Amino acid sequence: EAGVTQFPSHSVIEKGQTVTLRCDPISGHDNLYWYRRVMGKEIKFLLHFVKESKQDESGMPNNRFLAERTGGTYSTLKVQPAELEDSGVYFCASSQGRGNTEAFFGQGTRLTVV
Amino acid sequence: ILNVEQSPQSLHVQEGDSTNFTCSFPSSNFYALHWYRWETAKSPEALFVMTLNGDEKKKGRISATLNTKEGYSYLYIKGSQPEDSATYLCAPWGSARQLTFGSGTQLTVLP
Repeated sequence: EAGVTQFPSHSVIEKGQTVTLRCDPISGHDNLYWYRRVMGKEIKFLLHFVKESKQDESGMPNNRFLAERTGGTYSTLKVQPAELEDSGVYFCASSQGRGNTEAFFGQGTRLTVV
Repeated sequence: ILNVEQSPQSLHVQEGDSTNFTCSFPSSNFYALHWYRWETAKSPEALFVMTLNGDEKKKGRISATLNTKEGYSYLYIKGSQPEDSATYLCAPWGSARQLTFGSGTQLTVLP
C-alpha cells in the first residue's frame, strides 16, 4: 500500500513567486492535515480536511496560503506570493479516523524562498 | 491552542542505557495522546496512540504510559541503541480536534 506522498520534495523560489505543493494521502483516508516546521521549531498545524471540506483552517498564517482538496482525494497548498518567512518544511498527513487513530506523514516538501 | 511541553529538550545517552522523557499537556478536553518518532531527513512515524488514563503501550524496547488526570505521558526506552537516535514528539488531540505537537526531545545514543 502506498504511503502519503508529497511533491515536490524540494522547491526553491524567489520572493513574490507562487508555489503549489501537492499531497496524495493514503487511499481511503478521509482526514488530511497540513503542517509545517519553520527554522527548526516545532511542527505547527495549518489545516485539516475531512474529505473535501475544510474542517479547521485556524493554523493558516494568512490569506497568501490557499489549500484545496479536490474530490476528497489529493490536496494542494498554494502560497502566493511567497515571502521569506514561508521557508520551511511542509508536511502532509492522513488518517482514517480522528484523534484515536495514528496519522501517517509524507516525506515533506522543503520550501526555500530566496 | 494546547500548551504542550516536552522535556528534556535534548538527551545524550550511552548505548545500553535506559532513558525516559516527559510530555505534559492540558488535562481538560483531552481525547488522545500520540507519540511519534522522527529521524533526520525522514517523516514522523507513529509509535503509540493512547486514549485511556493509565494506558500503557509497548513496542519492542519502547513503552509509554499515560496519565490523563494530571496531564502527562512518559516514553521509556530500555537498553538504548544508536538506531534509537531521533526526535521523539508527543501530540495530544483535544477539543480543537487537531494534533498539537510539542517541540520534541532529541535523543542521541552514543556507541
